[in-house]
Amino acid sequence: DTGVSQNPRHKITKRGQNVTFRCDPISEHNRLYWYRQTLGQGPEFLTYFQNEAQLEKSRLLSDRFSAERPKGSFSTLEIQRTEQGDSAMYLCASSSRAGSPLHFGNGTRLTVT
Amino acid sequence: KNQVEQSPQSLIILEGKNCTLQCNYTVSPFSNLRWYKQDTGRGPVSLTIMTFSENTKSNGRYTATLDADTKQSSLHITASQLSDSASYICVVSGSGGGADGLTFGKGTHLIIQP
Repeated sequence: DTGVSQNPRHKITKRGQNVTFRCDPISEHNRLYWYRQTLGQGPEFLTYFQNEAQLEKSRLLSDRFSAERPKGSFSTLEIQRTEQGDSAMYLCASSSRAGSPLHFGNGTRLTVT
Repeated sequence: KNQVEQSPQSLIILEGKNCTLQCNYTVSPFSNLRWYKQDTGRGPVSLTIMTFSENTKSNGRYTATLDADTKQSSLHITASQLSDSASYICVVSGSGGGADGLTFGKGTHLIIQP
């Protein structure tokens, strides 16, 4: 399967703990995006990379959130000191260039108890 | 502010029936509009893309229309099947939105009943 892969699929954590999610994009795609989606809502943009450069960050991305794409391939999204409001589906997507369709992974569902 | 409004918020129809989902947008300047299908617990998958010069485009039982003058798009599903149960998200590309100017709608949750 050469689609976008996200791990883990589900994560349950206690408030205050740190969590890290991984995204492996389609190999030839140089653009990688992170979105957050809550029930009944569309995806909300968090940040995106072109190769290893983080080009844009949403105001939704508080200082507890950090994303990296060190070698321009896979990416990680870390949330520090998790809060209950962080509970959501975190989606990763990749594309080959601006304007081309986004290819989404199946997301990581985070539950903060 | 760029916005994408979808209606209805949710819809229940019987298997075999047709339905139409609506998307109104205020994104400007407009580049393109995509419809995505999102099955429960999975990521969205692109169904179709509409550019400024296109009025209608079909993908199997899915037909999308675009009226760039009124800034409206619709997604028509013909002869619905149980597998069509999903959320359908309208995404408009323009300037001012996050990441490539993409503005997402909240989606229409469609349930097909046998």
